[in-house]
Amino acid sequence: NAGVTQTPKFHILKTGQSMTLQCAQDMNHGYLSWYRQDPGMGLRRIHYSVAAGITDKGEVPDGYNVSRSNTEDFPLRLESAAPSQTSVYFCASSSLPVLGELFFGEGSRLTVL
Amino acid sequence: AQKITQTQPGMFVQEKEAVTLDCTYDTSDQSYGLFWYKQPSSGEMIFLIYQGSYDEQNATEGRYSLNFQKARKSANLVISASQLGDSAMYFCAMTEPHAGNMLTFGGGTRLMVKP
Repeated sequence: NAGVTQTPKFHILKTGQSMTLQCAQDMNHGYLSWYRQDPGMGLRRIHYSVAAGITDKGEVPDGYNVSRSNTEDFPLRLESAAPSQTSVYFCASSSLPVLGELFFGEGSRLTVL
Repeated sequence: AQKITQTQPGMFVQEKEAVTLDCTYDTSDQSYGLFWYKQPSSGEMIFLIYQGSYDEQNATEGRYSLNFQKARKSANLVISASQLGDSAMYFCAMTEPHAGNMLTFGGGTRLMVKP
């Protein structure tokens, strides 16, 4: 059972470069979200989606874009990376309505130099 | 104001003993969900236990139980018979329907189990 798959697991990029973190889920979940985790803090939601074609901002959306063209995939794009975006990123999914368990991917560690 | 407060940045417990990790929350919703996640040093987030705000019984999952005190807005995690593999970060979290079901996390508690 794959669950939520994130790629890449590790990546280093330079300030100003762009990149996309991939998230794919195979559980037919309607809800998908991206979180970032920084040292000493819990996870903070960046963007989320409740269905294909519908996305919304979370707590810390600046500098990130998302799209949802189908049920399975929810890529997170950094158009012009900044050192402040150095973090561990988690994709999480759930069936709707969301008052139950969120299923997390294994995380993607991103370093911006 | 913080939505989820975990006041214990780090804790030690002796192997085979029980330990309680504290969590208090703040919400004006009547319907909400409370979660505990474990994050070992490998980094993945592991779901442990869930309590709905309307659940009258405390949730239990194996060695994990959630001590839910609604009036005090607390949702403490109790781990019985601690094992070395329980050493990890533990996060309390809450979902609120009015916030788009965003899972809001506390700052975490690092638990270290001593042999």
